[in-house]
Amino acid sequence: GAVVSQHPSWVICKSGTSVKIECRSLDFQATTMFWYRQFPKQSLMLMATSNEGSKATYEQGVEKDKFLINHASLTLSTLTVTSAHPEDSSFYICSAQTGAQPQHFGDGTRLSIL
Amino acid sequence: AQSVTQLGSHVSVSEGALVLLRCNYSSSVPPYLFWYVQYPNQGLQLLLKYTTGATLVKGINGFEAEFKKSETSFHLTKPSAHMSDAAEYFCAVSVSGSYDKVIFGPGTSLSVIP
Repeated sequence: GAVVSQHPSWVICKSGTSVKIECRSLDFQATTMFWYRQFPKQSLMLMATSNEGSKATYEQGVEKDKFLINHASLTLSTLTVTSAHPEDSSFYICSAQTGAQPQHFGDGTRLSIL
Repeated sequence: AQSVTQLGSHVSVSEGALVLLRCNYSSSVPPYLFWYVQYPNQGLQLLLKYTTGATLVKGINGFEAEFKKSETSFHLTKPSAHMSDAAEYFCAVSVSGSYDKVIFGPGTSLSVIP
């Protein structure tokens, strides 16, 4: 089946640093990738949608300069949290989609900002 | 606008008992409906989906759900709970014909008591 790999699975860093999270579709070409944020005991909230080679579309309230998304190839999208602060600590999940097919989710990245 | 509600943020069942997780949706257009499962510190796995056709859909791990348009419901059931079913379950909805803008419910945490 379709496999989506996310790396790293857990990252701890100091406040003010930038963190990059990778999302790869391992066995299919992802025309669209999605980035979600999940706070403890809460549901997934869509942050942005990215299509390969295009600028990402951000949901209302999500700072595009804070959360930089790059989707340079059909198998890789990256989310960079710039100048991270403790309030950015969360579980970030990506998903990948090819054509008009269901999204396949990565295993998530737990980000902790000290 | 679309939305999803899940009655009961936490459900406990005994091993071998019936599992019933409730989901109601709101959509002004015919929906696609989904159930996802999330294990701790992992991404989401698709259990089953309803798009068109038969209203009773069968998924993985013995789960099934029935689309009832008149009740705007899509409840998830399993005849006999296993310990391995303990997880977080999310109901989700998207516009018919699209897997893009998926709106997730708040989730129901299922505990299975031995």
